Amino acid sequence: GAGVSQSPSNKVTEKGKDVELRCDPISGHTALYWYRQSLGQGLEFLIYFQGNSAPDKSGLPSDRFSAERTGGSVSTLTIQRTQQEDSAVYLCASSFYWADTQYFGPGTRLTVL
Amino acid sequence: GQQVMQIPQYQHVQEGEDFTTYCNSSTTLSNIQWYKQRPGGHPVFLIQLVKSGEVKKQKRLTFQFGEAKKNSSLHITATQTTDVGTYFCAGKSSNTGKLIFGQGTTLQVKP
Repeated sequence: GAGVSQSPSNKVTEKGKDVELRCDPISGHTALYWYRQSLGQGLEFLIYFQGNSAPDKSGLPSDRFSAERTGGSVSTLTIQRTQQEDSAVYLCASSFYWADTQYFGPGTRLTVL
Repeated sequence: GQQVMQIPQYQHVQEGEDFTTYCNSSTTLSNIQWYKQRPGGHPVFLIQLVKSGEVKKQKRLTFQFGEAKKNSSLHITATQTTDVGTYFCAGKSSNTGKLIFGQGTTLQVKP
């Protein structure tokens, strides 16, 4: 079956603009995660959704970052008033249940000029 | 809070040499997962260990879960250039159920 998909694959934006990143998880997966990975660095946890429970937002670096998951499926990560330090690859992953094996999407490479 | 530490951060080896990365948790884990990320790619699940002292093998890769379920290791025998990438461990806390990723070990293999 189809894996996790993310769009766009690349996004170049100007400092101060808002961006939206989209994630389509594997069908039937109840958990969805967002991570940020700067060049040559590890995975920085941002937020995760599990079913209809309140999301765990503990990793969001500032109030400029927000995410939602509609209908328990597609998720959108929004970054408002982007800064150059937001430049990174944003990875989405899904799993059947939380903390199960995670299946990662190809990521969105965000560049803030 | 729970921390998962991986060492070393980087490792350069000659092709044919062995390689080991270690993962240590500050708390007891219910399981540990290993992922591999090729350069320019995304992390891909390799294996999950659940039992104390468990050892699993995948061809040249050997994974171990410590007796106390707080540490794990990945050993690659006779590395090949195809082994290049970053290896992440991810531990699931027995207390919180959260899955925490280590910072990864990046392996470079010189042909």
